[in-house]
Amino acid sequence: QKEVEQNSGPLSVPEGAIASLNCTYSDRGSQSFFWYRQYSGKSPELIMFIYSNGDKEDGRFTAQLNKASQYVSLLIRDSQPSDSATYLCAVNPPGTNDYKLSFGAGTTVTVRA
Amino acid sequence: DADVTQTPRNRITKTGKRIMLECSQTKGHDRMYWYRQDPGLGLRLIYYSFDVKDINKGEISDGYSVSRQAQAKFSLSLESAIPNQTALYFCATSLGQGTDTQYFGPGTRLTVL
Repeated sequence: QKEVEQNSGPLSVPEGAIASLNCTYSDRGSQSFFWYRQYSGKSPELIMFIYSNGDKEDGRFTAQLNKASQYVSLLIRDSQPSDSATYLCAVNPPGTNDYKLSFGAGTTVTVRA
Repeated sequence: DADVTQTPRNRITKTGKRIMLECSQTKGHDRMYWYRQDPGLGLRLIYYSFDVKDINKGEISDGYSVSRQAQAKFSLSLESAIPNQTALYFCATSLGQGTDTQYFGPGTRLTVL
């Protein structure tokens, strides 16, 4: 079982809709969770991170964490064509004080104008 | 100017050749990382360094070596390149405190023929 799993997509949503991306992880003691956005041919850039159960909002993005169910999700509200990208979920596994990250393979999102 | 730079940005080489990829950063971060990215596999950690004297293997270090010449410079070498090392390579840095967010360089696309 992979440490971090994501649906590869592509996830196609119309402009203005909500895009919902899911990520599950295998190590129950994981503490830190990150969402990165990667445009085709570019480097990953951090969108947001979350540590605590519940929701965390930043502009049009909301991260949701449920440690009991071992999943973290990302909602993109009012999706825009510029949101078309691959979204990477990253998890800091337990037992590491050195902040290594395990990445999922990413979900590709396409926003239709 | 970019905070994390990588050279070269693109490289085509032949099997058996020695290749060095270089990473420089002006962020003042102590921690530096080398990842490779392959389609469908996400980002995988090759090596990481928490300071000039601290270098550690990641999950896929075989066939690679690194050198931390200074706080700001971290080089990745392929001693004898093989075709399955064809990938997109990213350098990343992090502060080592707080959320320890990783910031990525622009990437090097390496093709081994």
